[in-house]
Amino acid sequence: GAVVSQHPSWVICKSGTSVKIECRSLDFQATTMFWYRQFPKQSLMLMATSNEGSKATYEQGVEKDKFLINHASLTLSTLTVTSAHPEDSSFYICSAWGQGVSYEQYFGPGTRLTVT
Amino acid sequence: AQSVTQLGSHVSVSEGALVLLRCNYSSSVPPYLFWYVQYPNQGLQLLLKYTSAATLVKGINGFEAEFKKSETSFHLTKPSAHMSDAAEYFCAVSDTGANSKLTFGKGITLSVRP
Repeated sequence: GAVVSQHPSWVICKSGTSVKIECRSLDFQATTMFWYRQFPKQSLMLMATSNEGSKATYEQGVEKDKFLINHASLTLSTLTVTSAHPEDSSFYICSAWGQGVSYEQYFGPGTRLTVT
Repeated sequence: AQSVTQLGSHVSVSEGALVLLRCNYSSSVPPYLFWYVQYPNQGLQLLLKYTSAATLVKGINGFEAEFKKSETSFHLTKPSAHMSDAAEYFCAVSDTGANSKLTFGKGITLSVRP
């Protein structure tokens, strides 16, 4: 099946700094990717839809200036958390729809962000 | 708007017992429905999906689910639980358009007792 990777798998940063998380579709092209965040023992919350070559679409309540999304190619989307604060600490997961007849959204392994 | 309801937050079964995880959906259009499993600190893995073909869907690891339109349900079952089934399970719904968003339920933690 299709594979989605994320890098890094975990990151610790200091409050006030920015951190970038990469999401790659390894063996297929993804015109649309999704970014989720997940707090402990909770479900996935969709943050934004990342569209190749155009601006991301953010869900209501998500600060677009804080969570910058860039989908520069058909295999790469990045999420940058700017001026991170401890409350941004979370598990961030990306996903992309597979191509062809397999109607399935493939998920990356997630990135654990801890802001100190 | 679409939504998914997963009642309860935790289900505990004995090894070898039936697993039943409930999912009810709300959708104004014919939905696609999914069950995902998540192990600690990992991404989600698809167990099975309903995409308007057969209403009884078989997935990986012995799981299956039945789409019941009259009950707006898509409950997940497995005849005999294994210790390795202990994980978090999410039901999700999307509409049938390309690149549609998934809407997740809040998830259920499955514990399996020896």
